[in-house]
Amino acid sequence: SAVISQKPSRDICQRGTSLTIQCQVDSQVTMMFWYRQQPGQSLTLIATANQGSEATYESGFVIDKFPISRPNLTFSTLTVSNMSPEDSSIYLCSVEQRDYGYTFGSGTRLTVV
Amino acid sequence: ILNVEQSPQSLHVQEGDSTNFTCSFPSSNFYALHWYRWETAKSPEALFVMTLNGDEKKKGRISATLNTKEGYSYLYIKGSQPEDSATYLCAFITGRRALTFGSGTRLQVQP
Repeated sequence: SAVISQKPSRDICQRGTSLTIQCQVDSQVTMMFWYRQQPGQSLTLIATANQGSEATYESGFVIDKFPISRPNLTFSTLTVSNMSPEDSSIYLCSVEQRDYGYTFGSGTRLTVV
Repeated sequence: ILNVEQSPQSLHVQEGDSTNFTCSFPSSNFYALHWYRWETAKSPEALFVMTLNGDEKKKGRISATLNTKEGYSYLYIKGSQPEDSATYLCAFITGRRALTFGSGTRLQVQP
């Protein structure tokens, strides 16, 4: 199955700043997914990123707040912009492995102070 | 908005106990149901991908069943071990290929 390298693994950021999270996959994949888990909540899909087109955002998430890049079939970034304490979460990227479920990055634990 | 519910929220069992969790999901527009195990500080790990009504899958001491007509899946762990301690997530998939997760069942197995 694919292996995803996600970084940073954790960060503590000041409110009002931005953080870019990177995911590198060891094989080419069409779609990459970005999820968030806020404290006490379930994993929630932020957006789906296809190479060569704009990401598709779920209800409640907007491009200005969570810009996504997908420059090629093995790499994607998610930026959390103008952060507030409510953005403190675990962020995960994921790719589909047909018939084997989805593979996830190791996660980025973000704390906004 | 898809509603995927899991119960119980948390479970404490003794080593050797058998246990089971429930996942309920919308019975319409079904594509697949996944189970994941998520240990602290690690990535969620896929346990089962279930697509057919009546599916039963097994991996070691863990097994799962699927009823798409009534919209539920059960995960069973036989003879729980401390290394089974984790959060167990189910996820529902529609044709859009994205996962809608339940809130998870947090299992703690005491030695």
